[in-house]
Amino acid sequence: GNSVTQMEGPVTLSEEAFLTINCTYTATGYPSLFWYVQYPGEGLQLLLKATKADDKGSNKGFEATYRKETTSFHLEKGSVQVSDSAVYFCALSVNDMRFGAGTRLTVKP
Amino acid sequence: DSGVTQTPKHLITATGQRVTLRCSPRSGDLSVYWYQQSLDQGLQFLIQYYNGEERAKGNILERFSAQQFPDLHSELNLSSLELGDSALYFCASSFTSVTSSYEQYFGPGTRLTVT
Repeated sequence: GNSVTQMEGPVTLSEEAFLTINCTYTATGYPSLFWYVQYPGEGLQLLLKATKADDKGSNKGFEATYRKETTSFHLEKGSVQVSDSAVYFCALSVNDMRFGAGTRLTVKP
Repeated sequence: DSGVTQTPKHLITATGQRVTLRCSPRSGDLSVYWYQQSLDQGLQFLIQYYNGEERAKGNILERFSAQQFPDLHSELNLSSLELGDSALYFCASSFTSVTSSYEQYFGPGTRLTVT
């Protein structure tokens, strides 16, 4: 079946460090891929998405490229801020939305 | 603010009881999705409704049911509650029934505690 595997957290970084959160997927058909972010006490918010191979999604300094050959959609940011502390979910959609387990990021000043 | 509202925010009840969670989608959205978020199972899709009709089913227990009303709000009914049903329940909405292209907007969630 369709599923998403993302790197386990928690991840702790210092402000201005480079961030990578790995995400790989298994899917039949042609999935769309998403990154959602959940700030403390809130629901999930869409961070970025890509709907076909080689597409790059980007938002708020975050980027992820849909790599069909490696079935991956890794999230990157060049310089994290304290305000980026949250839980990040990788997700795919073919007929329904499947989420990864989430990766908790803490950024320290 | 996503525009999706959920009530109540918190709910504490006893095992064996029945509860109803309510969700109002964003204005103009026709699809409503229900998710359960627990520490051990992560975020799990339960069920989707589109314009009043069930569209997709995920890992929803038989003790759980949902419906979407003509005004498009949705209710998730949980019965014969067990301790393991304690979780955050999220509702999300989107414009269409096609999940692959359109963003889902999530509500703030209802935290259910079963004692």
